[in-house]
Amino acid sequence: GAVVSQHPSRVICKSGTSVKIECRSLDFQATTMFWYRQFPKQSLMLMATSNEGSKATYEQGVEKDKFLINHASLTLSTLTVTSAHPEDSSFYICSAPGGGSVLNEQFFGPGTRLTVL
Amino acid sequence: AQSVTQPDIHITVSEGASLELRCNYSYGATPYLFWYVQSPGQGLQLLLKYFSGDTLVQGIKGFEAEFKRSQSSFNLRKPSVHWSDAAEYFCAVGAGVQGAQKLVFGQGTRLTINP
Repeated sequence: GAVVSQHPSRVICKSGTSVKIECRSLDFQATTMFWYRQFPKQSLMLMATSNEGSKATYEQGVEKDKFLINHASLTLSTLTVTSAHPEDSSFYICSAPGGGSVLNEQFFGPGTRLTVL
Repeated sequence: AQSVTQPDIHITVSEGASLELRCNYSYGATPYLFWYVQSPGQGLQLLLKYFSGDTLVQGIKGFEAEFKRSQSSFNLRKPSVHWSDAAEYFCAVGAGVQGAQKLVFGQGTRLTINP
């Protein structure tokens, strides 16, 4: 149990276009999800906390107008990179906290590789 | 603010040798500590976690870690590494409201295994 999926796994887009990444909790509900960004050979940096039914909370330095987050349901959060530029190319990973016996454990999606040309 | 330091960026060990990956954390309260492994281009897999209780925790794939409050450390160990253990390893501390922990990650340690 506690599986998180992401779609797409890879996306290539032209500069100036928008890209949507989906994060789904497949077998559990998540009122909160987290979005991380990982540049090559670097660690994961938290971008924002996605909250079902309310606005996302962004970390300092993350542009909320560029990285739009929508937590549409208890199993789906989306990250839209608007007007993407090459510097937005990165590996984006989402996570969701488990419940019950794994209340304090995060379950990670497999990640989405974004390449902006 | 919470922080995690992994002093070793890259470690190389021979197959069959023992391994210890270092992790130091900074957190004002009792930490929730995690070790994750990431293969190239993949997501993160949880190796083990510490919330409370026994300070020596066992994880998957033969890994263990010991929480030492006095040293603010949570080092990962394995008595005998396998070639398949080559990957990136991340230590993380959970920060935030219980049940909705956002994680602060260390810089990662890349493990290379010599045959």
